[in-house]
Amino acid sequence: EVQLVESGGDLVKPGGSLRLSCAASGFVFTKAWLSWVRQAPGKGLEWVGRIKSKGDGETRDYAAPVKGRFTISRDDSKNTVYLQMNSLKTEDTAVYYCTTDVLGIFYNYWGQGTLVTVSS
Amino acid sequence: DIVMTQSAPSLPVTPGEPASISCRSSQSLLDSNDHNYLDWYLQKPGQSPQVLIYLGSNRASGVPDRFSGSGSGTDFTLKISRVEAEDVGVYYCMQALQTPITFGQGTRLEI
Repeated sequence: EVQLVESGGDLVKPGGSLRLSCAASGFVFTKAWLSWVRQAPGKGLEWVGRIKSKGDGETRDYAAPVKGRFTISRDDSKNTVYLQMNSLKTEDTAVYYCTTDVLGIFYNYWGQGTLVTVSS
Repeated sequence: DIVMTQSAPSLPVTPGEPASISCRSSQSLLDSNDHNYLDWYLQKPGQSPQVLIYLGSNRASGVPDRFSGSGSGTDFTLKISRVEAEDVGVYYCMQALQTPITFGQGTRLEI
């Protein structure tokens, strides 16, 4: 059974940093592409970014609102993907979902999400 | 960026009746291999999103066959042949042709 379990969400002040983790199981993690999608309270889905597998160059892509502030990384030895968030803004407040990205075609598994609140 | 537009923010439906949701993209989602990079997701109340349809018309594993996707280029439709109570939630289209990946604003199915 595929599982994606996000953690690390918290209340943080504007300008602060936070690192989210997504622990994966039930599939071959080393070959997986993984994406982060967020959802602000009461709003729709917004793509954050993606990391490809090492075999596909471990390429990272980011949405414009987070580029330069957020970094996606992976530790294949721990079956975990990370989202390092720096210089947080109030508009980054959202539930952050980790997803498995099927070769850039669709997202077949989603975690339960972790809430990040940026507020003074 | 590719802008995704869903025709209606909400759609009242009657159980047992059909329903359809439209999605339009600001540029063609058809690639050189004749695949439309358009997916449909459903987010049920209190749950994470789940994929229904990928590449425009392919039903994802475990998705009931009352769900179907059609369309090509810039205009796409998700159809539910007979709505059931469990189908309530917000439906999103998403383009996967290029980054940044973009979603429609969502259509809430209400019974």
